[in-house]
Amino acid sequence: KQEVTQIPAALSVPEGENLVLNCSFTDSAIYNLQWFRQDPGKGLTSLLLIQSSQREQTSGRLNASLDKSSGRSTLYIAASQPGDSATYLCAVSLMDSNYQLIWGAGTKLIIKP
Amino acid sequence: KAGVTQTPRYLIKTRGQQVTLSCSPISGHRSVSWYQQTPGQGLQFLFEYFSETQRNKGNFPGRFSGRQFSNSRSEMNVSTLELGDSALYLCASSLGQSPSYNEQFFGPGTRLTVL
Repeated sequence: KQEVTQIPAALSVPEGENLVLNCSFTDSAIYNLQWFRQDPGKGLTSLLLIQSSQREQTSGRLNASLDKSSGRSTLYIAASQPGDSATYLCAVSLMDSNYQLIWGAGTKLIIKP
Repeated sequence: KAGVTQTPRYLIKTRGQQVTLSCSPISGHRSVSWYQQTPGQGLQFLFEYFSETQRNKGNFPGRFSGRQFSNSRSEMNVSTLELGDSALYLCASSLGQSPSYNEQFFGPGTRLTVL
């Protein structure tokens, strides 16, 4: 059974720092991996999608990497800003389950001004 | 282009009642997925509809059901509400048949409280 783990559960850093959020999964037979952001009480916003054949994706100050063999993905945020404060979730799609998404519990990120 | 809309945004019900939630996808999107989010269980997949057909279903009891109309709008229904059904219910739409292949766009959610 695929399990997705995000460590740490919460992270607080000063503004301006570069930071890394981690996502690990137990089954490497994934179709793709996605990173989302959720603001309190709101829906989710898609940040980056990495296909299983890709190693990384970049969007602005965000860079996501994927290492299928080790079951890991990282989301790198450069020059963090208070507006980056949110919960970040990763989700993997399973090849064997009609591409159903399996979600991590998320990392709550607080950027201190 | 308007985003995904969900109605109502907030709902309070009592145990035993039933509830219907509505989701309007982005224009042109044919796939709609529903998720339940709780502090204890996180995000859990309920079901996915594409062209009025349920394509995928999560591990939820039969009290949870849904449907999709010809205009791609979708509804989900929960019958005989239980306290544990209190959650944020999220709807997401995407262009294609497989939401995991196509980027999903989420609505703001419906906050359901069961008393």
